[in-house]
Amino acid sequence: AQSVTQPDIHITVSEGASLELRCNYSYGATPYLFWYVQSPGQGLQLLLKYFSGDTLVQGIKGFEAEFKRSQSSFNLRKPSVHWSDAAEYFCAVGEYAGNMLTFGGGTRLMVKP
Amino acid sequence: DAMVIQNPRYQVTQFGKPVTLSCSQTLNHNVMYWYQQKSSQAPKLLFHYYDKDFNNEADTPDNFQSRRPNTSFCFLDIRSPGLGDAAMYLCATSRDRGTTYNEQFFGPGTRLTVL
Repeated sequence: AQSVTQPDIHITVSEGASLELRCNYSYGATPYLFWYVQSPGQGLQLLLKYFSGDTLVQGIKGFEAEFKRSQSSFNLRKPSVHWSDAAEYFCAVGEYAGNMLTFGGGTRLMVKP
Repeated sequence: DAMVIQNPRYQVTQFGKPVTLSCSQTLNHNVMYWYQQKSSQAPKLLFHYYDKDFNNEADTPDNFQSRRPNTSFCFLDIRSPGLGDAAMYLCATSRDRGTTYNEQFFGPGTRLTVL
């Protein structure tokens, strides 16, 4: 069965600093990978996705992620964090069997002024 | 714009009082999903409909039921809500399911409070 691990439960960064959120997955076939963001009390917003092709994926709000098959990773990055980026971030892997989406445990990002 | 809509956005119910959450979609997707997300946790799939075919997750409590009267609408019924059912409930849709993964599109969620 597929699984997703987000090793960092909480991360605090200063506004303007760079950000990297880690995601590791376990999946036997080519993965479909996603990053979602969730602000407090809100639903999930898709930041970006990887299905195939270029391993560096650009998303909304200035985020990007890089798929590294050799490391089974799909880390999310942003060069300069804004206070409005404070939220919970979920990495997820989709599989075609049953079209299931498996989420990681999430990383809560806090931004210091 | 095509979208997934959930009503209400906030729902308060009393312990043991049945409650229904609503999801509608204008995407004309075949598959609709219901997730439960408790505070500081990842979303957990409760069940999904593939067209009219209902698929329940093995660990979904019997207290949770679902109805899909047509392609556009899907309802989540909680027959006797307990305090532990307080959560965000997320509805999602996908065009299909099959030999490739079909992206899921999420609604804004309904936050359920149980008093």
